[in-house]
Formats: sequence, C-alpha cells, structure tokens
Amino acid sequence: SQQGEEDPQALSIQEGENATMNCSYKTSINNLQWYRQNSGRGLVHLILIRSNEREKHSGRLRVTLDTSKKSSSLLITASRAADTASYFCATTMDSSYKLIFGSGTRLLVRP
Amino acid sequence: SAVISQKPSRDICQRGTSLTIQCQVDSQVTMMFWYRQQPGQSLTLIATANQGSEATYESGFVIDKFPISRPNLTFSTLTVSNMSPEDSSIYLCSVGGWQGSNHEQFFGPGTRLTVL
Repeated sequence: SQQGEEDPQALSIQEGENATMNCSYKTSINNLQWYRQNSGRGLVHLILIRSNEREKHSGRLRVTLDTSKKSSSLLITASRAADTASYFCATTMDSSYKLIFGSGTRLLVRP
Repeated sequence: SAVISQKPSRDICQRGTSLTIQCQVDSQVTMMFWYRQQPGQSLTLIATANQGSEATYESGFVIDKFPISRPNLTFSTLTVSNMSPEDSSIYLCSVGGWQGSNHEQFFGPGTRLTVL
C-alpha cells in the first residue's frame, strides 16, 4: 500500500516558471527520496533528505521536509521542457532500505 | 553511484508462460529489490532479493508466482510465472548499499512486460 499522497496529481506550467510538488506520508520516516520518471522508463534519483534535515538543494531543485506535518515538497525552479516527467516521493522507515512510494505527480512543461 | 542494467527491456508474452528478468549492477551492493509498476500507477515493492537465501516477499506477493534468485552481490533475477494479462506492468530492480552510498536507492531502466 502507498505510504502517502502527492499533489497535485498533474501540473501544467509554462517553461521558465517554477513547479512545486507536495508529498504527504503517514508514518515516521528515516529518509525521503524524490525520483523522476520519463515516459514509463526507469526512475532517476533526484535527491535524498534525512528525517533530521529540513531543506536540501541540488541545482534547480529544492526539497523541504516538515516531519511535524509529515510532508515534503519539491520545487523545480526555472523549469524546462525537458523537466516534463512524473515525479515520485518515496520514504524509508527506520533503518530499512525498503521504499514506499507516493502516488506521483505528472508534470508538463510547455515550451 | 551504481549503474544498473536490466534484460530484457521489454517483452510481449502469451498467457500461461513465464518470463525471467535479469538485473545486473556494476558494483557490489548490499540490497537489491524488485518493484512492479502497473499501468498509470506508482511503484509497489514485490520483494527483497537476499544474497544466498530466499527472498523476502511483501504482502500480496508469493514465491510461486514471483521466484527470485540472487546468487551474488551484483546480480538478481525475477521470474513472472504463469502469466496473465493482469501481470502486464513495468518491473524494476533497485539497489542500495554500495560503497560510498548514503542510503540512496537507484533503479534500473525497467522491463516493460505485456501479456496477451
């Protein structure tokens, strides 16, 4: 069963705009990871944030984590058409490596 | 990081047959997993592939349907047995625990299976 939900389910923006995706989860976590999936292919690992971290950056990506609200957000700044993909959050609990995925957000960046 | 390959990348199979999917990593890893992604859905963990012992299956998945092998720290196979159209999905392996990693989990390119 899914650990959490992501919203929005789908997001359509213009190139150059920022995209924000949110992820909520149900139980205590060890870490949370964000992935990108292009058109039914494999998942590309974007960023990992630990439960004791609040914010991480990687290039145009900014991830926040609020463990009190059991939620995370992924911000993509200055979006490009190549960012069009599905984005998933996934959590691990305690020291287990097992990932529990959210429902995903489909992002369309219009050129 | 770890580079992961899967074979085959896609296949179309007949009902009642079986397909074995291979996952190869370019470095030794502690953890290997198999996931299923049904059409339009998110990923669901099938099992943890344990090196040298039986895989650990998640609720709803059984060894008779999804036998898994992991003979060493760089290779694993998943077999989808006695297939039906409901098994049409993308099957992905993932790995974690390579030297220098920090609990990240990387995925292979996936195997897209269509059962007729």
